[in-house]
Amino acid sequence: GENVEQHPSTLSVQEGDSAVIKCTYSDSASNYFPWYKQELGKGPQLIIDIRSNVGEKKDQRIAVTLNKTAKHFSLHITETQPEDSAVYFCSAGDSGYALNFGKGTSLLVTP
Amino acid sequence: NAGVTQTPKFQVLKTGQSMTLQCAQDMNHNSMYWYRQDPGMGLRLIYYSASEGTTDKGEVPNGYNVSRLNKREFSLRLESAAPSQTSVYFCASSDIQGRPHFGNGTRLTVT
Repeated sequence: GENVEQHPSTLSVQEGDSAVIKCTYSDSASNYFPWYKQELGKGPQLIIDIRSNVGEKKDQRIAVTLNKTAKHFSLHITETQPEDSAVYFCSAGDSGYALNFGKGTSLLVTP
Repeated sequence: NAGVTQTPKFQVLKTGQSMTLQCAQDMNHNSMYWYRQDPGMGLRLIYYSASEGTTDKGEVPNGYNVSRLNKREFSLRLESAAPSQTSVYFCASSDIQGRPHFGNGTRLTVT
């Protein structure tokens, strides 16, 4: 089955700096890679996703890159703000089927 | 539009007791899922339902049963709760493009 590894487990950045979270996956058949943000006491919220036919996708301050050959994908947050502080999860799988999740990155943005 | 609604939000059970976690979505999604979230473990799939009338086991199905009551509702039952089932349970549904949307979780403690 699919195995998703996520690094780092914790990340602290200064407000305004960039944050990068990296994930690797094992199953070359995976074609869908969503990222989730989870705030305390809430469910994961989809923030951006990418499919295997695209190498990069951007939405305002958030971008995701995918390297299918190396089986890794990354989340980039630019101009970080304190409200970006949360736990971020990467996931991988076959679109329409259940996903496998990384173990999460706790991001802290300090003013 | 409520999205994915889970009830109850909190529950405390004694070992051996049974209970059903309820989940309903109002987005007309075909697929629904149950995940559990434990510290440092990410989200692990318990069961999923690709469509009304079908259910399949995920990564950690032991000790659980599910019912896809109709297109909107997907319940998770613990027949004889054990302390190892102390966790946060998330229900999700996915749209036609395979994007899972999560509820806000049920926090279950088994003593």
